[in-house]
Amino acid sequence: SQKIEQNSEALNIQEGKTATLTCNYTNYSPAYLQWYRQDPGRGPVFLLLIRENEKEKRKERLKVTFDTTLKQSLFHITASQPADSATYLCALRHGSGNTGKLIFGQGTTLQVKP
Amino acid sequence: DAGITQSPRHKVTETGTPVTLRCHQTENHRYMYWYRQDPGHGLRLIHYSYGVKDTDKGEVSDGYSVSRSKTEDFLLTLESATSSQTSVYFCAISESGGTSTDTQYFGPGTRLTVL
Repeated sequence: SQKIEQNSEALNIQEGKTATLTCNYTNYSPAYLQWYRQDPGRGPVFLLLIRENEKEKRKERLKVTFDTTLKQSLFHITASQPADSATYLCALRHGSGNTGKLIFGQGTTLQVKP
Repeated sequence: DAGITQSPRHKVTETGTPVTLRCHQTENHRYMYWYRQDPGHGLRLIHYSYGVKDTDKGEVSDGYSVSRSKTEDFLLTLESATSSQTSVYFCAISESGGTSTDTQYFGPGTRLTVL
């Protein structure tokens, strides 16, 4: 069966450390993968997109990797801050054309402690 | 929240009553989506639209219908609400849809409780 999985347990780290979140998928061949941030009571907000032919993508303190052999994406936040505390969702593209859809993982909650 | 509003923001209703949620966008994006978000399930696609009067089902479409008569409005209707439809509903829009890198922009959500 097709699955996209994120660690359901919250990740607690100390301020200044690097947070690493994992997204694994099974039986999909996504053309790209996206990461979103969601704060309590609000809708998700797009952060980064990485295509299947890209190994790594960076944006400020954020870095995403995409390994199509391992079927895994890693999301890193360097020099983490308490303001980075949120739930992070990965999403992959399934299908193409008008019938293509984004499939979301359940999200991992990150708590950065001062 | 990129020009997307949802109404109502909160609603409590009784089992068996019809409910309509509205999503309104000012971005003139072609694609619109309805998701529900539940603990343990994450975001799941209910229905989506790829143009005026063009809609299709998502993975959890049973018990829901949608309509899109104008680019800016996408309505989600629960014909006869059930307790299993208690959830937070998000509308999203995207410009480019499935053929490209369809970044989705989400509304603020509607919290629906069915008693």
